[in-house]
Amino acid sequence: DIQMTQSPSSLSASVGDRVTITCRASQSISSYLNWYQQEPGKAPKLLIYAASSLQSGVPSRFTGSGSGTDFTLTISSLQPEDFVTYYCQQSYSIPRTFGQGTKVEIK
Amino acid sequence: EVQLAESGGALVQPGGSLRLSCAASGFTFSNHWMHWVRQVPGKGLVWVSRINSDGSTTTYADSVKGRFTISRDNAKNTLFLQMNSLRAEDTALYYCTSTNAVAGYWYFDLWGRGTLVTVSS
Repeated sequence: DIQMTQSPSSLSASVGDRVTITCRASQSISSYLNWYQQEPGKAPKLLIYAASSLQSGVPSRFTGSGSGTDFTLTISSLQPEDFVTYYCQQSYSIPRTFGQGTKVEIK
Repeated sequence: EVQLAESGGALVQPGGSLRLSCAASGFTFSNHWMHWVRQVPGKGLVWVSRINSDGSTTTYADSVKGRFTISRDNAKNTLFLQMNSLRAEDTALYYCTSTNAVAGYWYFDLWGRGTLVTVSS
């Protein structure tokens, strides 16, 4: 199984800050990497697919990059609704695996 | 409206069985591979199972293989998860999710709200 490791597990930031979340795969997954956002008590929502493609309707302040084993999700200017949890997920192989999540908290 | 709606979650004793359903609407269900993903409240997401668009191919996580069965009824736009020999560690919120792909890059594009399964005596 491919292990996905996110860092940090949590971070504190302020509205307007630029933040970066990292996801590392235990083996190369090319660009088969997706990012999801999850609000408390709600289902995950797709933000980025294929490492860097923005899902329709997702604000442009979210960008994804990387390939191989190292990936990043960047939020260019944090908005109040962005203080939630983010997950990476690989779609290179079965079983599909997720990172452990990164919780973005208000400083 | 495009949506998935899970049902069937409940409190069940260890060793018991449960059947989850996921009703799809607003899109062509029969065109999509479907998956189940679970989440212990407050914890991360864990993939459980998948089924192809016509129901002929299924795959399972090792933790549920031999105990869970995924199936679908395309005429009724419904996905199922039959869960047998349930264990305490199966306690979680179960989401159904549809998949889409662009140029071979697969992703979970639509999620239901989840249904809670609690395994406890």
